[in-house]
Amino acid sequence: AQTVTQSQPEMSVQEAETVTLSCTYDTSESDYYLFWYKQPPSRQMILVIRQEAYKQQNATENRFSVNFQKAAKSFSLKISDSQLGDAAMYFCAYRSALLDFGNEKLTFGTGTRLTIIP
Amino acid sequence: DAMVIQNPRYQVTQFGKPVTLSCSQTLNHNVMYWYQQKSSQAPKLLFHYYDKDFNNEADTPDNFQSRRPNTSFCFLDIRSPGLGDAAMYLCATGAPWSAKNIQYFGAGTRLSVL
Repeated sequence: AQTVTQSQPEMSVQEAETVTLSCTYDTSESDYYLFWYKQPPSRQMILVIRQEAYKQQNATENRFSVNFQKAAKSFSLKISDSQLGDAAMYFCAYRSALLDFGNEKLTFGTGTRLTIIP
Repeated sequence: DAMVIQNPRYQVTQFGKPVTLSCSQTLNHNVMYWYQQKSSQAPKLLFHYYDKDFNNEADTPDNFQSRRPNTSFCFLDIRSPGLGDAAMYLCATGAPWSAKNIQYFGAGTRLSVL
């Protein structure tokens, strides 16, 4: 079974600064997907960024980028130019690339609560 | 435009009184998921559907049941809610074998048990 570990329960960053949230995972599979989801207070969870394990290039989405280290099984999220609206709980998640029903579900980490300091 | 809609947003029930939470989607996704999320914890998958095929997580209590009458709707029934069932319940949908293969979440139903 896969596991996802987020070792930082809480992080804070000054507005406009850069912050990195860490995530490690454990799997015996060679092909899989990794995600960062954001859950603002009292609002729905939305996808921030997605990475396919077979791609060496790190995914980027505007101010959000990842550092994917497959050998180290590490998948950190970097938020540049932090904004007040980035304050949320961030979950790292793993998904197998296997095609059968039951293996497509997400395994979540325990989350990192990010606070933005004005 | 809401794509995964959960009703109600807040639900209060009494200990032992059955309650039903609903979820609908406009995305026409094959797969629908129900998660339980307790305060500051990760979502915990209860069960999910691929069309009518149902997959129950091994540690989901028998007290929790689900129905999916059609592609658009999915229901979570809690037959005899206990105090420990107070939580946020999240519905999500996905097309995991498509190119996008991400899950879309609803805003959740917060359940209180008195």
